[in-house]
Amino acid sequence: KQEVTQIPAALSVPEGENLVLNCSFTDSAIYNLQWFRQDPGKGLTSLLLIQSSQREQTSGRLNASLDKSSGRSTLYIAASQPGDSATYLCAVSPNTGFQKLVFGTGTRLLVSP
Amino acid sequence: DGGITQSPKYLFRKEGQNVTLSCEQNLNHDAMYWYRQDPGQGLRLIYYSQIVNDFQKGDIAEGYSVSREKKESFPLTVTSAQKNPTAFYLCASSFMTGAPYEQYFGPGTRLTVT
Repeated sequence: KQEVTQIPAALSVPEGENLVLNCSFTDSAIYNLQWFRQDPGKGLTSLLLIQSSQREQTSGRLNASLDKSSGRSTLYIAASQPGDSATYLCAVSPNTGFQKLVFGTGTRLLVSP
Repeated sequence: DGGITQSPKYLFRKEGQNVTLSCEQNLNHDAMYWYRQDPGQGLRLIYYSQIVNDFQKGDIAEGYSVSREKKESFPLTVTSAQKNPTAFYLCASSFMTGAPYEQYFGPGTRLTVT
């Protein structure tokens, strides 16, 4: 059974720092991996999606990498801002073609001014 | 604007009552999903549907029921058989053909049962 782990569970940094969030999964047979952002009491916003054949994806200050063989993904946030404060979730989709996402428990990020 | 709407945003019910959560999408997506989120836990899949009039149980379907009479709508009923219904419920949708099958989420409904 696929399990997804995110470390750390919480992270507090001063504004301007570059930071890395980690996601690991136990079964490397995945179709894709998505990183989401969730603000308190809100739904999920998709940040980046990496297909299994890809190594990384970039969007603005965000860069996500995928190492399928080792079961790891990282989300790199450059020059963090207070507006980046949120919970970041990663989710993997099994290699079945239909997207039944398996989620990690998230990393709660606080960026202080 | 294309997107997913969920209503209501907050819902309060007495124990023993059934309650229905609404989910509508205008993204022309084929597949729709219901997830449950509890504090400190990841999202867990309740039910999903790939096509109208067809749906499958997810990992925690006990005490829940769904219908898919229209492509745009996928309501979730939380029945009195659900032992611990208080949670944040999220609806999502995606295409079924054409990679990369990205899932899009609604704003959620917070259900409190007392």
